Amino acid sequence: NAGVTQTPKFQVLKTGQSMTLQCAQDMNHEYMSWYRQDPGMGLRLIHYSVGAGITDQGEVPNGYNVSRSTTEDFPLRLLSAAPSQTSVYFCASRTGGLRYNEQFFGPGTRLTVL
Amino acid sequence: ELKVEQNPLFLSMQEGKNYTIYCNYSTTSDRLYWYRQDPGKSLESLFVLLSNGAVKQEGRLMASLDTKARLSTLHITAAVHDLSATYFCAVDPNYGGSQGNLIFGKGTKLSVKP
Repeated sequence: NAGVTQTPKFQVLKTGQSMTLQCAQDMNHEYMSWYRQDPGMGLRLIHYSVGAGITDQGEVPNGYNVSRSTTEDFPLRLLSAAPSQTSVYFCASRTGGLRYNEQFFGPGTRLTVL
Repeated sequence: ELKVEQNPLFLSMQEGKNYTIYCNYSTTSDRLYWYRQDPGKSLESLFVLLSNGAVKQEGRLMASLDTKARLSTLHITAAVHDLSATYFCAVDPNYGGSQGNLIFGKGTKLSVKP
């Protein structure tokens, strides 16, 4: 299994540009999430999905859109990039069980917005 | 609002010494996770603590959970340089039928010096 994969690994955007960060998992996990990591802030939840066709907002959703058309994929779209969105983005997935839901993280995408 | 506080945020240790990282959280939960992150890398799962009094050990690291005190500790025994990394605790604030989204502490950056 490849686990959780993310592309690209690095990206530089100009203010106002749009782009999509890709995330895929091959573990048949129901739940997928996007986090951003900023220095000194830990990880903060952007959006999450509990299954194909179902998404919801996390703590910091503004400026981002998501969709989940398949179990495997959960792309994150930046609609109009802003310097405040410079961050490292992690995608995570886990099973849908109630008791044990350890999250597995992808390698991350380092995004710089100029 | 659930808050997860780690302390210290920075820790410089000498090899061979012992120390403890503390993770306090502000709401009831009996599920807590510890992750390790090396510079420029993703998060690696260290421990999953699923009940009051849970204790897990792996090598020089030992984690415990006291749900009544809302406190988890990560104890380092006889530190070695390879343990240098940033350690995060994360709390699942819901139990039973929840989305299981984790709330992360800000991380403890550990540096072990000879």
